[in-house]
Amino acid sequence: EPEVTQTPSHQVTQMGQEVILRCVPISNHLYFYWYRQILGQKVEFLVSFYNNEISEKSEIFDDQFSVERPDGSNFTLKIRSTKLEDSAMYFCASSPKWGEDTQYFGPGTRLTVL
Amino acid sequence: SQELEQSPQSLIVQEGKNLTINCTSSKTLYGLYWYKQKYGEGLIFLMMLQKGGEEKSHEKITAKLDEKKQQSSLHITASQPSHAGIYLCGAGHLSGTASKLTFGTGTRLQVTL
Repeated sequence: EPEVTQTPSHQVTQMGQEVILRCVPISNHLYFYWYRQILGQKVEFLVSFYNNEISEKSEIFDDQFSVERPDGSNFTLKIRSTKLEDSAMYFCASSPKWGEDTQYFGPGTRLTVL
Repeated sequence: SQELEQSPQSLIVQEGKNLTINCTSSKTLYGLYWYKQKYGEGLIFLMMLQKGGEEKSHEKITAKLDEKKQQSSLHITASQPSHAGIYLCGAGHLSGTASKLTFGTGTRLQVTL
């Protein structure tokens, strides 16, 4: 069964460093998302992406964050200058179509900023 | 913004017992999604409800959405250790060209032998 994959599973970085989190969505899906979950807190929406453009972004998704679909399979989240408070689990999700269709989540990347 | 409250926050049940988890929205739900998360892992889709009064079942899990579309429940019959995990309800929002999900706080379920 097709699934969303994410790499790496765990990333440790120093404050101020740039990180790129990678995702491979399900192949025939058109809509892509990033969410994050700080330890012990809710899963929060960061950004949605469709047709090579950001569709919507949350207040969390500031200028330090960017997303890209560099080729036909990968979807990346870049954090330019990491802060301690960026430490969280980052989930990628994809869905085949707009509206009520289900979002399928990857296993997550645990980002630890020291 | 839409808030989702889940209750209880945590639950410990003996194997074989039934249980119910509730999810209440501050606004009418467009779509309500139930996911299960094992500690430190990704979210596994369980069920989606959209119509008032809708009920869906999969194996021993049944989800319902009330007529007013502001409350949903997830019921597990004859719980097993494999049911242990964190259950999340998520509200779907249609916005622009893509939808997003707003999640509740989660209910942590432990099943004892």
